[in-house]
Amino acid sequence: EPEVTQTPSHQVTQMGQEVILRCVPISNHLYFYWYRQILGQKVEFLVSFYNNEISEKSEIFDDQFSVERPDGSNFTLKIRSTKLEDSAMYFCASSENRNSAEEQYFGPGTRLTVT
Amino acid sequence: GNSVTQMEGPVTLSEEAFLTINCTYTATGYPSLFWYVQYPGEGLQLLLKATKADDKGSNKGFEATYRKETTSFHLEKGSVQVSDSAVYFCALPPKTGANNLFFGTGTRLTVIP
Repeated sequence: EPEVTQTPSHQVTQMGQEVILRCVPISNHLYFYWYRQILGQKVEFLVSFYNNEISEKSEIFDDQFSVERPDGSNFTLKIRSTKLEDSAMYFCASSENRNSAEEQYFGPGTRLTVT
Repeated sequence: GNSVTQMEGPVTLSEEAFLTINCTYTATGYPSLFWYVQYPGEGLQLLLKATKADDKGSNKGFEATYRKETTSFHLEKGSVQVSDSAVYFCALPPKTGANNLFFGTGTRLTVIP
C-alpha cells in the first residue's frame, strides 16, 4: 500500500540553526500538508500546498517557515533560526484532491528537538 | 471557525470492555467529521469518517454517528482489544471549503489484558 514517508525520524538541532524536514508524498497525490504536534498537545495545521504554491497557512506559519517541492517527489519544510518552542513532532500529509471529505494520508513524523 | 471538543483522557479499559470517546463539534453548516488514530510510534491514520448529518462511519469495529441534534460524533466500540491502545483524534475542516483539518486534543486509550 502506498505511504507517505518522512526523513529524518528524529532531528536534533541547536537554537538558531536552520533545519529542513523532508517528506515524500504518495505519488499520485496533488495536495500536501504540514502539521505539527508539540509534545502532549494537539495536532496543529501549518500549511497546505498545491501546484507549487501555498494554498492555505495558519498563523503559526510565519516568515520563519517555508515549504518547497524541489523535485517531482519531495516536499520539504524549512525552519530558519529555530527556537526552543519549535520542538515538536512534524507530520507531513498528502491527499489526492481538494475535497474536504477526502482522506489525508499522514507520514510517521519527524521529531524535532531544539536545544 | 469550526472546532471540536474532545473528551479528556487518558482512558484505561480492560479487554472486551465497551468504549466511548466523546467528541462534540461547533460548525457552520455540516462539514465532514473524522476520527484519526495514532498508534505508538506511528503517524495518524484515518479510522472512520462521516460526510453528512445522520451518517454513520465504521471501521475495524469502531463506529461514530454524525448527530446534528446534539452536535456530536462520539466514537464507540463494543469490545476493545489490547491492539486498540492508541491516541484517538476527532477532526473536521476549520471552515467551509478548507481541506486542512482541525484536530481535537486527542484521547489516549490503554487497553489492559
